[in-house]
Amino acid sequence: SQTIHQWPATLVQPVGSPLSLECTVEGTSNPNLYWYRQAAGRGLQLLFYSVGIGQISSEVPQNLSASRPQDRQFILSSKKLLLSDSGFYLCAWSVYRAGYTFGSGTRLTVV
Amino acid sequence: DQQVKQNSPSLSVQEGRISILNCDYTNSMFDYFLWYKKYPAEGPTFLISISSIKDKNEDGRFTVFLNKSAKHLSLHIVPSQPGDSAVYFCAASGNFGNEKLTFGTGTRLTIIP
Repeated sequence: SQTIHQWPATLVQPVGSPLSLECTVEGTSNPNLYWYRQAAGRGLQLLFYSVGIGQISSEVPQNLSASRPQDRQFILSSKKLLLSDSGFYLCAWSVYRAGYTFGSGTRLTVV
Repeated sequence: DQQVKQNSPSLSVQEGRISILNCDYTNSMFDYFLWYKKYPAEGPTFLISISSIKDKNEDGRFTVFLNKSAKHLSLHIVPSQPGDSAVYFCAASGNFGNEKLTFGTGTRLTIIP
């Protein structure tokens, strides 16, 4: 069965510190992978998506970057966090027209 | 530019009654629509979907209606149960080749016992 792992569950980081969130998928090959963010009082905003290894598309200009070093691994990074980077980050995967399966999310608080 | 809109940020419904959540979209290229349910501090979970070739899809207590001419869809939950209290997101995608889902801003549904 397909599963998605996302960690850590919660993270408190100071402004200006780096960030690395990791997401891995099991039980499927060549999935589309996504990073979403839910900011306080807002909906789900697509940050990055990837259709294959090394292929990253950015949806919004921001302080974050993403990488896909392996087929089932998706990493969200930042060199220097801003207060506005606080939010609930979600990783998801999909195969054609089967909808998304989301990870359990990471609550990031930048202080 | 919010292509998928959920104009009601919150909704309260008495237990046992019908809950109706609404969603509007602007992009006529969208042809596949989904509803997700989200509890606090968890990832959204898939609830029900509908393709643009249909106008209704039913799964147990959940029914989604699609009105393509109005670019409107709705989720009906009947009867509503306390466990249905959550945030519901409407999402849409088109055959753009990348499977991106565009989400609405969500509606917080509270079922009153």
